[in-house]
Amino acid sequence: QLQESGPGLVKPSETLSLTCTVSGGSISSSSYHWGWIRQPPGKGLEWIGFIYYSGSTYYNPSLRSRVTISVDTSKSQFSLKLNSVTAADTAVYYCGRHYGSGIDYWGQGTLVTVSS
Amino acid sequence: EIVLTQSPGTLSLSPGERATLSCRASQSISSSFLAWYQQRPGQAPRLLIYGASNRATGIPDRFSGSGSGTDFTLTISRLEPEDFAVYYCQQYGRSLMYTFGQGTKLEIK
Repeated sequence: QLQESGPGLVKPSETLSLTCTVSGGSISSSSYHWGWIRQPPGKGLEWIGFIYYSGSTYYNPSLRSRVTISVDTSKSQFSLKLNSVTAADTAVYYCGRHYGSGIDYWGQGTLVTVSS
Repeated sequence: EIVLTQSPGTLSLSPGERATLSCRASQSISSSFLAWYQQRPGQAPRLLIYGASNRATGIPDRFSGSGSGTDFTLTISRLEPEDFAVYYCQQYGRSLMYTFGQGTKLEIK
């Protein structure tokens, strides 16, 4: 299971921070990447990036300058930071286990609203 | 960057009918790296198909995927009421980046 947590409201220009807690499996498995996907209200899915347990990261080029994904294997958690947010970053944020060509497990999602 | 274009945008069918959803890539991709998802309202997406034609764990056999190169298809052989949802294709490229199509909404006619 994957579970997102973090603030549901972030002010413009500040940093969005979310954590995904992984249970029922090892975040240190070499078979998986762990990543983030978002979905603005009423719109489609946008992949943000993923991290390997070793710390290697890969980001969507359109967000790369503002995104950091990190992992804490001791807590079975990985995290997302997105800085300098605007209203366009308002979305449901999902964490997901990336396995091969697909994302086979998803968190339930958490809505983050950017507003003053 | 590879762009995935799904068609139609909306598909109106009745339970029991066959649904055919299309996903076209802007350049040739390996079928090994093409996946399909179902998203019901208020829920997270669910992986249906990976590697273009392999059903994910627990997915009924009425769902099938096919295709190669730039053209891929998701077929639902006989629609059940719970199949009416939004469907996304997704590719995983050599650039180690995931890209989603814009989605096809399958609605009850």
